[in-house]
Amino acid sequence: EPEVTQTPSHQVTQMGQEVILRCVPISNHLYFYWYRQILGQKVEFLVSFYNNEISEKSEIFDDQFSVERPDGSNFTLKIRSTKLEDSAMYFCASSDSPPKDQEAFFGQGTRLTVV
Amino acid sequence: AQTVTQSQPEMSVQEAETVTLSCTYDTSENNYYLFWYKQPPSRQMILVIRQEAYKQQNATENRFSVNFQKAAKSFSLKISDSQLGDTAMYFCAFMKRDTGNQFYFGTGTSLTVIP
Repeated sequence: EPEVTQTPSHQVTQMGQEVILRCVPISNHLYFYWYRQILGQKVEFLVSFYNNEISEKSEIFDDQFSVERPDGSNFTLKIRSTKLEDSAMYFCASSDSPPKDQEAFFGQGTRLTVV
Repeated sequence: AQTVTQSQPEMSVQEAETVTLSCTYDTSENNYYLFWYKQPPSRQMILVIRQEAYKQQNATENRFSVNFQKAAKSFSLKISDSQLGDTAMYFCAFMKRDTGNQFYFGTGTSLTVIP
């Protein structure tokens, strides 16, 4: 069964460093998402991406964050200058229609630890 | 703003028994979707069941069923004949119908099925 894969599973980075989280969505999907979950808190929406552009973003997704689909298969989340409060589990998701119409498939997450 | 509340951080159930997970939400929207997602340990979040708010009939998927009370803004998940593989974190989620791009998740309920 096709699945969304995320790498790495765990990333440790120093505060102030740039980090790129990688996702390979399901191959025929068109809609892509990043969510994050700070330990003990809710899973929060960061951004949605369709047709090579951001379609929605939350207040969390500030200028420190960017997304890219560089080669038609990967979908990346970049954090330019990490802060301690960026430590969280980051989930990528994809769907072939808006998830109100079709199931959204999630990756197993990347745990980011900023030290 | 939309909020989703899961008031049971942890629950346990004996194998083969029935368990109900609670979820309440707050919204001013009239058209929306509700979801239950399951995340087994170290695995992806997967869709368990979906309910469209304009449908009065409660959704069912095999051993999983919901009790959707729109006026009370309640959306509980019932798992019948619990199996060891049901052990997971369960997330309740809300999505607006018009945009259909962004899940609003609860904090999750960790369910353990006891042999």
